[in-house]
Amino acid sequence: GAVVSQHPSRVICKSGTSVKIECRSLDFQATTMFWYRQFPKKSLMLMATSNEGSKATYEQGVEKDKFLINHASLTLSTLTVTSAHPEDSSFYICSARGLAGDEQYFGPGTRLTVT
Amino acid sequence: GENVEQHPSTLSVQEGDSAVIKCTYSDSASNYFPWYKQELGKRPQLIIDIRSNVGEKKDQRIAVTLNKTAKHFSLHITETQPEDSAVYFCAANFGNEKLTFGTGTRLTIIP
Repeated sequence: GAVVSQHPSRVICKSGTSVKIECRSLDFQATTMFWYRQFPKKSLMLMATSNEGSKATYEQGVEKDKFLINHASLTLSTLTVTSAHPEDSSFYICSARGLAGDEQYFGPGTRLTVT
Repeated sequence: GENVEQHPSTLSVQEGDSAVIKCTYSDSASNYFPWYKQELGKRPQLIIDIRSNVGEKKDQRIAVTLNKTAKHFSLHITETQPEDSAVYFCAANFGNEKLTFGTGTRLTIIP
């Protein structure tokens, strides 16, 4: 149980283009999903909290117009990196939390490279 | 504030010995403390967690202790094995929703 998928696993895009990353909870309903960014050999930095049917809450310093988050259903949240630049290259990981408790289960991550 | 400190940043132990990783948190309202294991290029995996109503929890070779008064909690791995080598992150919840993560400990088990 508590399986979270993320797609794509890797993506390479050119500067100025947009990339969409999907996060799905496969066997449970996720009332809340979280998006993190992780640099090499660093910890997970929370970017935003996404609740189904409402606007995402962004952490300080995260541009909401650049990192668009949509949580249209209890099993799907998407992160769109708009007008990507090389400094956006990173490992993006989502997590999902179900109705039952505090546990967060992570997706496998998406490695984004912007050239 | 939302702050979780984790020590040490790197830890090497002989196979079969024990490993201990410690974390402190700043918000006295935190009541949920998970530990994650992350292998290179992989997702963080929840290995054990503890809530503030207990002081210790054990699952086979892994245990976590919590001292709410001192606001610190620790991960203990006994009888370490090579497959325990990974980066370990502690976390604490804030506002009953989001987690703040420690900076991670790179654990290396020496065969």
